[in-house]
Amino acid sequence: NAGVTQTPKFQVLKTGQSMTLQCAQDMNHNSMYWYRQDPGMGLRLIYYSASEGTTDKGEVPNGYNVSRLNKREFSLRLESAAPSQTSVYFCASSPRRRANEKLFFGSGTQLSVL
Amino acid sequence: GQQLNQSPQSMFIQEGEDVSMNCTSSSIFNTWLWYKQDPGEGPVLLIALYKAGELTSNGRLTAQFGITRKDSFLNISASIPSDVGIYFCAGRLLTSGTYKYIFGTGTRLKVLA
Repeated sequence: NAGVTQTPKFQVLKTGQSMTLQCAQDMNHNSMYWYRQDPGMGLRLIYYSASEGTTDKGEVPNGYNVSRLNKREFSLRLESAAPSQTSVYFCASSPRRRANEKLFFGSGTQLSVL
Repeated sequence: GQQLNQSPQSMFIQEGEDVSMNCTSSSIFNTWLWYKQDPGEGPVLLIALYKAGELTSNGRLTAQFGITRKDSFLNISASIPSDVGIYFCAGRLLTSGTYKYIFGTGTRLKVLA
């Protein structure tokens, strides 16, 4: 059981380049999330998708776009990368069963923007 | 943005010692979660708490949901070297019909053998 799978694991970009981070989950979860992790700041929510076909901004959405391609996949796109977007990005999913809902994380994408 | 206050930021302890960390917020949460992150990996869920006052254990780990619903505590007994990592608390709240998770800034634990 793979859980939440993120690709790529590492990426180096030049300022102004674009790229898409991919995320897929095989747990039939309804909700999916993108977080970024920066030293001393914990995890901050970029975007989330409560269910297939919906997306909403989180705490730090500027400079990012997302696509919930289907129930399994939720991608994060940087249209014009900036050094401030150097971070570790985590995708997460949850089943949305209200009583015991929990977040499950992928292993992360380490992104460096030069 | 909204984040939880987690302390201490880092700890160096001797193997066999007990560890305590806590998380506080100005907001009320109906669920508290504790995660551990190993280097190069994503956070992994350790314990989930659903009721104020709840005390839950997972092996050597024990977590409590504060009575005010604004705080939570995690204790690790008899620490071992593999306990090293970053521990995050997370509070869950319902916003516009969707659950959101607010994370603490993390406690970095190092265990000296």
